[in-house]
Amino acid sequence: DQQVKQNSPSLSVQEGRISILNCDYTNSMFDYFLWYKKYPAEGPTFLISISSIKDKNEDGRFTVFLNKSAKHLSLHIVPSQPGDSAVYFCAASARETSGSRLTFGEGTQLTVNP
Amino acid sequence: GAGVSQSPSNKVTEKGKDVELRCDPISGHTALYWYRQSLGQGLEFLIYFQGNSAPDKSGLPSDRFSAERTGGSVSTLTIQRTQQEDSAVYLCASSLLDPRLTDTQYFGPGTRLTVL
Repeated sequence: DQQVKQNSPSLSVQEGRISILNCDYTNSMFDYFLWYKKYPAEGPTFLISISSIKDKNEDGRFTVFLNKSAKHLSLHIVPSQPGDSAVYFCAASARETSGSRLTFGEGTQLTVNP
Repeated sequence: GAGVSQSPSNKVTEKGKDVELRCDPISGHTALYWYRQSLGQGLEFLIYFQGNSAPDKSGLPSDRFSAERTGGSVSTLTIQRTQQEDSAVYLCASSLLDPRLTDTQYFGPGTRLTVL
């Protein structure tokens, strides 16, 4: 049972344009969502998070949107830079019921072309 | 400051052998997590330690897997009688778990385990 799904295994965008990475979830108990970026041979690096009481959180070039009714979140990167090329993982936790353990999506490989 | 460290970075072992993987969390972090990433898969939760509470072992795939956290700091993940399907990158993370702050997990670089 895949509770967090990233349906696009890869995404390619031009430098300077917007990158939009999508994530869907099924568990209505999830109340905290995070995005991680991962380079090869490194551990995931935290990017940005959002609590279920919000619908948007912005940090520099990164913005996360949460649509609870659709059980959907997205990460917008604008403007995209070649250094953003990495695998992006969406993750969620249900802190009230399952503590802080994270459930991850399968990841999306983002390639930003110069 | 120092992040989460893991050792070894790579481990190749023969089927049936036992292996131990080590994690040093960020100093002061009360929570420690183990995940693994198999080839082409997302990260899979294994076990979670929070302070002095009993660990959440619900993600361990079999009784060949065990973990301990001594002194509330360093953790060791042990896999007994390794099988080829245990081959994966094993990732450790730690967090502060302060309810006033976001409990963001910070990951180490991982240990790549290959079982021949």
